Amino acid sequence: KNEVEQSPQNLTAQEGEFITINCSYSVGISALHWLQQHPGGGIVSLFMLSSGKKKHGRLIATINIQEKHSSLHITASHPRDSAVYICAVRAYGGATNKLIFGTGTLLAVQP
Amino acid sequence: NAGVTQTPKFQVLKTGQSMTLQCAQDMNHNSMYWYRQDPGMGLRLIYYSASEGTTDKGEVPNGYNVSRLNKREFSLRLESAAPSQTSVYFCASSELAVGGYTFGSGTRLTVV
Repeated sequence: KNEVEQSPQNLTAQEGEFITINCSYSVGISALHWLQQHPGGGIVSLFMLSSGKKKHGRLIATINIQEKHSSLHITASHPRDSAVYICAVRAYGGATNKLIFGTGTLLAVQP
Repeated sequence: NAGVTQTPKFQVLKTGQSMTLQCAQDMNHNSMYWYRQDPGMGLRLIYYSASEGTTDKGEVPNGYNVSRLNKREFSLRLESAAPSQTSVYFCASSELAVGGYTFGSGTRLTVV
């Protein structure tokens, strides 16, 4: 079993829909990252969380440390949001910033 | 713009050839990383450098070597490429105290 699990693996939505991507992890962590990767593109950091909630534009990320779960929400989705969204965690106590990655959620937003 | 620069963006090698992937960052980060990304799998750590002058193996180091040339540069070398090394390679940097990550744009490597 992977230490970081994402669901769903694939998601198709209509433009304007509210989208939720989930991430569960099995290790103690000091931080959780949400990353975005467009097809054939590089990887961009969206959020780094250690508690609570963060918002940037139409994106909202939440984390529940006790339940070892995080969600990424996209409000009023748009075709340009189509990408792979990756959850990654930094294990607690690590001397470096090495990350453990989920396999990603492929999101397609149709006009 | 500040960030992580990787070269080349694309490369095709024949089995047995060698090459070096270059990575440079201008954010004064201490830590640098090399990951590979394969279909259906999360990014996997090949090697990392916690600070200038140190390097350590990650999850999948076999067939690779690295050099932390200075604080800015961290190169990845394939001495004798194999088809199993066909992948997309990402360099990244971070600062331990801050924790944020910055990724390069990736190198798509095909070994035939």
